[in-house]
Amino acid sequence: KAGVTQTPRYLIKTRGQQVTLSCSPISGHRSVSWYQQTPGQGLQFLFEYFSETQRNKGNFPGRFSGRQFSNSRSEMNVSTLELGDSALYLCASSLGRNEKLFFGSGTQLSVL
Amino acid sequence: GESVGLHLPTLSVQEGDNSIINCAYSNSASDYFIWYKQESGKGPQFIIDIRSNMDKRQGQRVTVLLNKTVKHLSLQIAATQPGDSAVYFCAEGGTFQKLVFGTGTRLLVSP
Repeated sequence: KAGVTQTPRYLIKTRGQQVTLSCSPISGHRSVSWYQQTPGQGLQFLFEYFSETQRNKGNFPGRFSGRQFSNSRSEMNVSTLELGDSALYLCASSLGRNEKLFFGSGTQLSVL
Repeated sequence: GESVGLHLPTLSVQEGDNSIINCAYSNSASDYFIWYKQESGKGPQFIIDIRSNMDKRQGQRVTVLLNKTVKHLSLQIAATQPGDSAVYFCAEGGTFQKLVFGTGTRLLVSP
């Protein structure tokens, strides 16, 4: 069974640009969560989607958004990129609520 | 606010020793406590979890202890192996999906 797949693996953008990251969950998993990981702030929850609906949201500005499609695949978008957005963005999927998370290897975003 | 912290940023042990990684949490309302292992270049990997109505849970070579009185969580790894070298995170939450992670402890295992 394939794990959580995130694309692209690495991304370099400049300030002011926007970026879209993609996540394909494990087959059969309907919940997708996104986390940001930085050396300074650690792992921080961004949002969670279940059946195309955002179920939870973390404390991030509105520049961070996401969506989930009917096949459970998810995308997250960051608009007007700032240097501080440089981070590893991790996607995790689970069968449902209160089922353990399986993480992908992440997308390393560098904002120059 | 919510916070999860770790006592030691780096733990160095010899192969075969038992390792203990500690974690303090502040949200007494959390229902789930989870330990993750993260190796370089990979996402966090689930190790073991414990619910707030339990004090101890054992897995294969790992044991998690929860002390709700002092809001303390620990991960014990028996017979530590070089492959256990990684960063270990504790996490807490009301659900498995929206977790608050600790800052991480790096475990270094020497042969």
